[in-house]
Amino acid sequence: GAVVSQHPSWVICKSGTSVKIECRSLDFQATTMFWYRQFPKQSLMLMATSNEGSKATYEQGVEKDKFLINHASLTLSTLTVTSAHPEDSSFYICSAREGAGSPLHFGNGTRLTVT
Amino acid sequence: EDQVTQSPEALRLQEGESSSLNCSYTVSGLRGLFWYRQDPGKGPEFLFTLYSAGEEKEKERLKATLTKKESFLHITAPKPEDSATYLCAVQEGGGADGLTFGKGTHLIIQP
Repeated sequence: GAVVSQHPSWVICKSGTSVKIECRSLDFQATTMFWYRQFPKQSLMLMATSNEGSKATYEQGVEKDKFLINHASLTLSTLTVTSAHPEDSSFYICSAREGAGSPLHFGNGTRLTVT
Repeated sequence: EDQVTQSPEALRLQEGESSSLNCSYTVSGLRGLFWYRQDPGKGPEFLFTLYSAGEEKEKERLKATLTKKESFLHITAPKPEDSATYLCAVQEGGGADGLTFGKGTHLIIQP
């Protein structure tokens, strides 16, 4: 089955630093990947749609200069949280699908804690 | 107004006690309704996709059904390992590819 790998699984950083999260589709190519954020006891909120070889599409209210997304290949998308602050602490999850009409498969998420 | 509403928020059952989880949606041009299972600290695990009213899908003790306004996830004779948060998500018609999720139902099966 389709496997999505996300790294790191958790990270603690100091306020003002930047953190990069990687999302890889291990056994399929994904022209589109999605980044979600989940706060405790809340639903997953779509942050942005990452398109291979082009700029990401951000949801309303998500700062594109703060959450940098790069989708350099068909199997890798990265999310960089720049100048992180405590309010950015959350669970970040990426997802990808094999093709149109296929279900989204999710990585295991990255728990970001900004101190 | 939430586009996807799940109920109940939490449900505690005894092992073997069957029940149903509800997902109501208010989107136009539904392209697909998805059920996922999420364990603590993990990403969602895909369970089912439903595309049209009347459709049903089954997997082990789970069965998902779909009407024009809601979906049910029926769990029959659950076991403790079925304890998890069950998420419902919809994909709207039009160009958007992302899913809109409900807040989930936290299910606990007591032995």
